[in-house]
Amino acid sequence: EPEVTQTPSHQVTQMGQEVILRCVPISNHLYFYWYRQILGQKVEFLVSFYNNEISEKSEIFDDQFSVERPDGSNFTLKIRSTKLEDSAMYFCASRGQMTTEAFFGQGTRLTVV
Amino acid sequence: GENVEQHPSTLSVQEGDSAVIKCTYSDSASNYFPWYKQELGKGPQLIIDIRSNVGEKKDQRIAVTLNKTAKHFSLHITETQPEDSAVYFCAACSAGNKLTFGGGTRVLVKP
Repeated sequence: EPEVTQTPSHQVTQMGQEVILRCVPISNHLYFYWYRQILGQKVEFLVSFYNNEISEKSEIFDDQFSVERPDGSNFTLKIRSTKLEDSAMYFCASRGQMTTEAFFGQGTRLTVV
Repeated sequence: GENVEQHPSTLSVQEGDSAVIKCTYSDSASNYFPWYKQELGKGPQLIIDIRSNVGEKKDQRIAVTLNKTAKHFSLHITETQPEDSAVYFCAACSAGNKLTFGGGTRVLVKP
């Protein structure tokens, strides 16, 4: 069964460092998303991406964040100058053209120390 | 924007009993309501969904109901089994297809 895969599963970084979280969406999907879940809180929408551009972003997704689909298969989330409050689980999701079902990866746990 | 509330936050049931989780949403434009199951160390897995043109949907032991007028929807799990133990999230989808999630319900099925 096709699945969304994310790497790494756990990332520890020093405050102020840049991190790149990687996702490989399901191969024929065209819509891509990043969500995050701070421990004990709701899963929150960060950004959606379609046709090589951001289609929607939340207030959380400020200039510190960027997304890219560098090679037609990977979908990355870059966080510049990480802060302690960026510590969370980050989930990538993808969706096909003619469906509303979004499929999630297993997540990357980001810990900023 | 959309706001989704989910209750209860924890639910403990005896194996074989039913479990019901309820969610409310605020945006009348939302038209798609998925439910996700999240097991430890894994990402959310879609288990059932319902669209706004349908009032009820069933898939084996799980069912979802939707009341558009009241803006609430519910997940029903019958004949619960230990493997149903997980965190369950409801979500609502409005324009743009981004999901707004509820806070989650930790379900524990006691053998």
